[in-house]
Amino acid sequence: DAGVTQSPTHLIKTRGQHVTLRCSPISGHKSVSWYQQVLGQGPQFIFQYYEKEERGRGNFPDRFSARQFPNYSSELNVNALLLGDSALYLCASSFGPPGEQYFGPGTRLTVT
Amino acid sequence: QQQVKQSPQSLIVQKGGIPIINCAYENTAFDYFPWYQQFPGKGPALLIAIRPDVSEKKEGRFTISFNKSAKQFSLHIMDSQPGDSATYFCAANYGGSQGNLIFGKGTKLSVKP
Repeated sequence: DAGVTQSPTHLIKTRGQHVTLRCSPISGHKSVSWYQQVLGQGPQFIFQYYEKEERGRGNFPDRFSARQFPNYSSELNVNALLLGDSALYLCASSFGPPGEQYFGPGTRLTVT
Repeated sequence: QQQVKQSPQSLIVQKGGIPIINCAYENTAFDYFPWYQQFPGKGPALLIAIRPDVSEKKEGRFTISFNKSAKQFSLHIMDSQPGDSATYFCAANYGGSQGNLIFGKGTKLSVKP
C-alpha cells in the first residue's frame, strides 16, 4: 500500500511569493495534519483536518491556510513568504483524529 | 504546559548497547505518546506508541517505559545496530479528538560498529 505522498519534493521561492503544498493520505485515512520542521528541531503542528473540517490550528500566522478535499487529500498554502518559512513541511495522515499519525517524506521549502 | 522535554540531545553507543532516551511532560491532558525515528532527508517514521494506562510496551527491539505519576516516559533500544543511527523524537498527543502532536526536540543517536 502507498504511504502518505507529498508534492513537490523540493521548492525554491522568493520572499513575498505564495506557495501551495499538496498531500495525499494513506488510503482509508480521513484525517490530515500539517507540520513545519525547522532544521535541528522537532516538527511543529500547523493544522489538522478531519472530514474536510479544520479541527485544530497551531500557533502560526494567518499567512498559513489549508483545506481538505472530498477525496481527503489536502493543500497547505503560505502567502507572503518570509525567509523564516524555510523548512521541511510534513503531512501526516491518520484514520481518525486522535489516531496513529503516519508522515509523508515532506516538502523542502527554501525561501530566498 | 504544552512542552515535551527530551534528553539527551545526542547519544553515542557501541553496537549491541542499549541507548535510552528520556522525555518528560507537564500537561495531564496528553493521552497518547508515540516515538518517531527520522533519517536525514526523510519524514518521521512511527516506531512505537503507548497510552498512559500502560507502564511498558515492547515491539521488537524497542521498548517504551511509562511512569504516569512522574509524567515521564523513555525509549530503550535493545541490541542497537549501526542502522539504528538516526534522530529520535518523542511526542505527545494533545486534545483527544483534535489529534495534535507535540514533539520533543529530538535525540541524535549514533551507533558505532
